[in-house]
Amino acid sequence: GAGVSQSPSNKVTEKGKDVELRCDPISGHTALYWYRQSLGQGLEFLIYFQGNSAPDKSGLPSDRFSAERTGGSVSTLTIQRTQQEDSAVYLCASSLWRGLAGGPEKDTQYFGPGTRLTVL
Amino acid sequence: SQQGEEDPQALSIQEGENATMNCSYKTSINNLQWYRQNSGRGLVHLILIRSNEREKHSGRLRVTLDTSKKSSSLLITASRAADTASYFCATDLTGGGNKLTFGTGTQLKVEL
Repeated sequence: GAGVSQSPSNKVTEKGKDVELRCDPISGHTALYWYRQSLGQGLEFLIYFQGNSAPDKSGLPSDRFSAERTGGSVSTLTIQRTQQEDSAVYLCASSLWRGLAGGPEKDTQYFGPGTRLTVL
Repeated sequence: SQQGEEDPQALSIQEGENATMNCSYKTSINNLQWYRQNSGRGLVHLILIRSNEREKHSGRLRVTLDTSKKSSSLLITASRAADTASYFCATDLTGGGNKLTFGTGTQLKVEL
């Protein structure tokens, strides 16, 4: 089946503009995660969705960052008033819900190709 | 902050040789996952090992986990040029929700 998809693959924006990044998880995966990868910071967690709710937003770096998920599927990560330090690759992942019985597959997070954001 | 430290940071070997990468972490885990990343983009899942497991195999990959030492290793046997990539360990921490905490990564280069 199809994997996790993200759009756009690349985004160049000017400082101060808002951007929206989109993630389509694997069909049937109820858990969705956003991470970002930047030079000097490595891979860091941003936010996690279970269904449409976000039990863990602890990784969002500031109130300029927000995310939503609708219909238990597509998620959008929005960055308002972008700053140069927001430049990074934003990665989305999805997994089956941990609460399900079963093997390790339910815990495995599958990643999309990422969106490379460049803030000029 | 990074939960895990990976060792070595970079590794260069000849095709056909084995490559071993190590990962250390600091707190108790539910599971540990290894990923490969090519060209700084998407992460490819390689293998997941649970906290009650000590060793897992998948093709040319062998992963070990020592929870008493809070460490894991990834062995790639009979390496190929196509194995050239960055390799990351990621821990699913006990009580940490479902998020993964990534190590710093090992850059592997396999030369012909």
